[in-house]
Amino acid sequence: DSGVTQTPKHLITATGQRVTLRCSPRSGDLSVYWYQQSLDQGLQFLIQYYNGEERAKGNILERFSAQQFPDLHSELNLSSLELGDSALYFCASSVDDTFGNTEAFFGQGTRLTVV
Amino acid sequence: DAKTTQPTSMDCAEGRAANLPCNHSTISGNEYVYWYRQIHSQGPQYIIHGLKNNETNEMASLIITEDRKSSTLILPHATLRDTAVYYCIVRGGGGSNYKLTFGKGTLLTVNP
Repeated sequence: DSGVTQTPKHLITATGQRVTLRCSPRSGDLSVYWYQQSLDQGLQFLIQYYNGEERAKGNILERFSAQQFPDLHSELNLSSLELGDSALYFCASSVDDTFGNTEAFFGQGTRLTVV
Repeated sequence: DAKTTQPTSMDCAEGRAANLPCNHSTISGNEYVYWYRQIHSQGPQYIIHGLKNNETNEMASLIITEDRKSSTLILPHATLRDTAVYYCIVRGGGGSNYKLTFGKGTLLTVNP
């Protein structure tokens, strides 16, 4: 158990719909990362938040957005869903120091299926 | 971020040491080498990381060459449960962006 909790574990929804994925980081971790893993793309970095502020952005679509709340949990919102958005979505958290010398721990992911 | 090169796949016999190589010839002086693994569709699991000295923990050992252009992850006594995709990642370097950039990794298959 990594200490990172993601809910829900599975989600099935229709095209055009909107969903929210939730991530609770490990206690004390200030940084949250979101990743998407589809069959043909591998693990793709989407976005990072640090203590409530957006810190880095990767290949995140405009239809997707995220935020980190004062209690440090994070939500990833996916809207106008398309079949191609079907994937595993992982959240990771880390303490983060100034030099990248802290490991990030991943949750077990949310499997999103768009039908 | 510095890029890494890993073999696509490797086999190892159960009980033997698994040595997984990684090239990172463009690594900067203040970037760390991280290793993660992913078993089937589970969340990636942290294994070990290091800067320039060799590191060992309960899971594995990390050997980094003196010029830091390559490293080897060693699983001393591989078991069937070690079958997974292993990712070598270069991370850090100051500033504020510490995302982990995953490549395709090495599929390690441990055979009975």
